[in-house]
Amino acid sequence: QLQLQESGPGLVRPSETLSLTCTVSGDSISASSFYWAWIRQPPGGGLEWIGSIYYSGRSDYSPSLKSRVTISVDTFTNQFSLTLNNVTAADTAVYYCARREWSGLYNWFDPWGQGTQVTVSS
Amino acid sequence: SSELIQDPAVSVALGQTVRITCQGDSLRSYYVSWYQQKPGQAPLLVIYGKNNRPSGIPDRFSGSSSGNTGSLTISGAQAEDEADYYCNSRDSSGVIFGGGTKLTVL
Repeated sequence: QLQLQESGPGLVRPSETLSLTCTVSGDSISASSFYWAWIRQPPGGGLEWIGSIYYSGRSDYSPSLKSRVTISVDTFTNQFSLTLNNVTAADTAVYYCARREWSGLYNWFDPWGQGTQVTVSS
Repeated sequence: SSELIQDPAVSVALGQTVRITCQGDSLRSYYVSWYQQKPGQAPLLVIYGKNNRPSGIPDRFSGSSSGNTGSLTISGAQAEDEADYYCNSRDSSGVIFGGGTKLTVL
């Protein structure tokens, strides 16, 4: 059964860099045609797509975050990672990783990790 | 980029049928997917593609689309269906989510 687990610091200082890792178990990141995604949810708010990556390294990002985001993949450790630069309080959220399936007409995320709370505060 | 509009809150009597809608220009070109999120939990995919349910999702959940509107229907709502529901699709810039609908089962 495919499972995803986020890990990383729960507290980040303003203007610093947020770094999270998602560990995939139950399948190989490089053994399928799926993308691997990051999504976040601010307190009391809705879901926001951050970006996604293919095992080859091909990635795509939300236009609103593109200038500050990098997503990378490590097929040897079966992990993919998120870095978000120059964070502010507005980046405080629960961060989820998920497997993404998409094509010309379709897009969905399944399964999701349990999420990790990241707070930006001095 | 485009957006997906959902009613903030909807209620349904126990055992009745409820439809949750999602409107946006992107839905004229792309299929909508639906997620259920209960408090303190990660979102759970309930409908994807034309009208497909992942394994384990009850058949009282169904999806449909017409024009710029996608719909999630719960036929015979149960108490455990009380949750937030989010729609999602592609758009020209990547991926968008609706703002979410809080479903209350009375």
